[in-house]
Amino acid sequence: NAGVTQTPKFQVLKTGQSMTLQCAQDMNHNSMYWYRQDPGMGLRLIYYSASEGTTDKGEVPNGYNVSRLNKREFSLRLESAAPSQTSVYFCASSDRGQAAEAFFGQGTRLTVV
Amino acid sequence: AQSVTQLDSHVSVSEGTPVLLRCNYSSSYSPSLFWYVQHPNKGLQLLLKYTSAATLVKGINGFEAEFKKSETSFHLTKPSAHMSDAAEYFCVVSANTGGFKTIFGAGTRLFVKA
Repeated sequence: NAGVTQTPKFQVLKTGQSMTLQCAQDMNHNSMYWYRQDPGMGLRLIYYSASEGTTDKGEVPNGYNVSRLNKREFSLRLESAAPSQTSVYFCASSDRGQAAEAFFGQGTRLTVV
Repeated sequence: AQSVTQLDSHVSVSEGTPVLLRCNYSSSYSPSLFWYVQHPNKGLQLLLKYTSAATLVKGINGFEAEFKKSETSFHLTKPSAHMSDAAEYFCVVSANTGGFKTIFGAGTRLFVKA
């Protein structure tokens, strides 16, 4: 009964370092998403994958890359971290696209110093 | 184009009194509308959703919302607040059309006083 699992939960990076945020879902969902949450701005979509084998940019894709490794896993990579990428990152999945309920992971709190 | 506006960034109520969290939306298409709740240091959880069926939608934990097309509103209500309702609430609009057009509101933080 895990749902959407994100790792790590917390991370501190130095400016210029790289890292990959991992996300896996066990609900056999087709669509997966990466969001960032900043105070007073709600959630903003970074990238999404409508189905296995496809990825598309969202509202704020600059500085990020993604990989849909298989149907279960969708990773987010920061190639050269910047302080502006300090945020809480959420992975989500849904069964029938955006009109369906999305299930969210617990989030990754990332600080770039 | 789509947009969603949550009219209050903070709402404070006393336990046992009604809750009203306001949301207005704009959409060029027939929208789906959602309310999500986020408890501290947790992910988001769906409270309820409207997808062009009944205009009064009932959700979990006693929450409900009414879709009013003429007012472009989708306000969230609960008759009696409980301490456990203290959280942040997000109104979300999604277009039933091609491409990804899901927009989150900025959120309303609900405080519940004993």
